Amino acid sequence: GEDVEQSLFLSVREGDSSVINCTYTDSSSTYLYWYKQEPGAGLQLLTYIFSNMDMKQDQRLTVLLNKKDKHLSLRIADTQTGDSAIYFCAESIGGNTPLVFGKGTRLSVIA
Amino acid sequence: GAVVSQHPSRVICKSGTSVKIECRSLDFQATTMFWYRQFPKQSLMLMATSNEGSKATYEQGVEKDKFLINHASLTLSTLTVTSAHPEDSSFYICSIRTSGGLETQYFGPGTRLLVL
Repeated sequence: GEDVEQSLFLSVREGDSSVINCTYTDSSSTYLYWYKQEPGAGLQLLTYIFSNMDMKQDQRLTVLLNKKDKHLSLRIADTQTGDSAIYFCAESIGGNTPLVFGKGTRLSVIA
Repeated sequence: GAVVSQHPSRVICKSGTSVKIECRSLDFQATTMFWYRQFPKQSLMLMATSNEGSKATYEQGVEKDKFLINHASLTLSTLTVTSAHPEDSSFYICSIRTSGGLETQYFGPGTRLLVL
C-alpha cells in the first residue's frame, strides 16, 4: 500500500544542521520529493531525487536515499530562522496519479 | 516565477452561500489538476482529481455535490463549495501534475476559506 511517514515536529538551534526523515512503502517509486510550506502559503518544490540515486546535494540541502530501507532524509546545513516551515516528503508512483505525501514535519528554528 | 495561481487568496462568506475558487496553470497545459484541503494540524487531504473535459474523480468521503469541480480548459480548474457551512472552513490548495521529464506537482498559493 501507499504510505509515507515522517515525524511531525523538529526543533533545532540556528546554525545547527536539521535532519528530517521520511519512510515510504512503494518500492517502485520513481522520484522522491521534498516540499516546503511556509505559513499561509502553498507548497514549494524544494528538491527531488531520482530513485536510482542515493544522494543529491544542492547548496545547504542534502538528500539521502536508502532504497533498501525505503528511507529518505533531508539535511539542511547551517539552519536559519527562514528555514522554519513545514516540510513534506512525497513519492511518485507513476502514471497520472497524484504524489503520495507524508503528513509533514514542522521545523522550528530557535534563534 | 509562479507556475500555478489561485484566486481568491482569502474569502469570508456567510453560511449557506457558495464560493468559487479558481486555479490557473500559468506555464503548463494541465490535463490533470488536483484539489487538496489542508487541515489545521497540517496534513494534506486529496479531495479530487480534475480532468480537463471530463468529470472529476473524487476521493472517498468527499461529496461531489458539495464540492463541484469544473476543468473546462487546459489552464483553468474551478472548485465551488456549495452551501458552505462553518465546517468547510479550511485552506484549499490546487496542484498541477507535469509530465515529460521531471514528473512532479506544482502547487498554487492556496485559498483560505472562512465560513461564518
